[in-house]
Amino acid sequence: AQTVTQSQPEMSVQEAETVTLSCTYDTSESDYYLFWYKQPPSRQMILVIRQEAYKQQNATENRFSVNFQKAAKSFSLKISDSQLGDAAMYFCAYRSSPNNDMRFGAGTRLTVKP
Amino acid sequence: NADVMQNPRHLVRRRGQEARLRCSPMKGHSHVYWYRQLPEEGLKFMVYLQKENIIDESGMPKERFSAEFPKEGPSILRIQQVVRGDSAAYFCASSPPRANTEAFFGQGTRLTVV
Repeated sequence: AQTVTQSQPEMSVQEAETVTLSCTYDTSESDYYLFWYKQPPSRQMILVIRQEAYKQQNATENRFSVNFQKAAKSFSLKISDSQLGDAAMYFCAYRSSPNNDMRFGAGTRLTVKP
Repeated sequence: NADVMQNPRHLVRRRGQEARLRCSPMKGHSHVYWYRQLPEEGLKFMVYLQKENIIDESGMPKERFSAEFPKEGPSILRIQQVVRGDSAAYFCASSPPRANTEAFFGQGTRLTVV
């Protein structure tokens, strides 16, 4: 079974600074998809960014970008110019291609300090 | 995403009662996932279903918990003889069969066992 590990239970960042959240995963498959979700206090899960494993180019969505290292099975999220509204739980997720299973890491709570 | 409908949003049960949580996936989605989230913790995978089939229930306790996703109607997560430790937020997510698509989440059901 695939596992997703987020080794940072909590992180904090100063407003306008940059922070990187770590995620590693374990899989024997070559084709899969990776996602970062954000869960603000409202508890609604919001997709932040996605990455296809077959793509070498790192995905970017405005202030959010990933560092995808396929060989190392690492998928970190970088948030630039952090804003107060970025404060939330962030979950890394993996979805396999053959069986479409979807697994999440335990999450990282991000605090943004004004 | 409000199109994944979970009800009720809040459910209070006394110890020993049954809890039934419903999830109506987005239109056209044939995959449903259930997750449990304890306060201040991450998402724990429980079960993954496709129409009329349980694909992976490795995260679901063997006793008292069951899930179904019938051909017609919502997916149901059923907890029999609830105990205080079952108190948590239960999230449902749905997705179409394509693995490059993220899962869309409902707003969760908060179960409180008194």
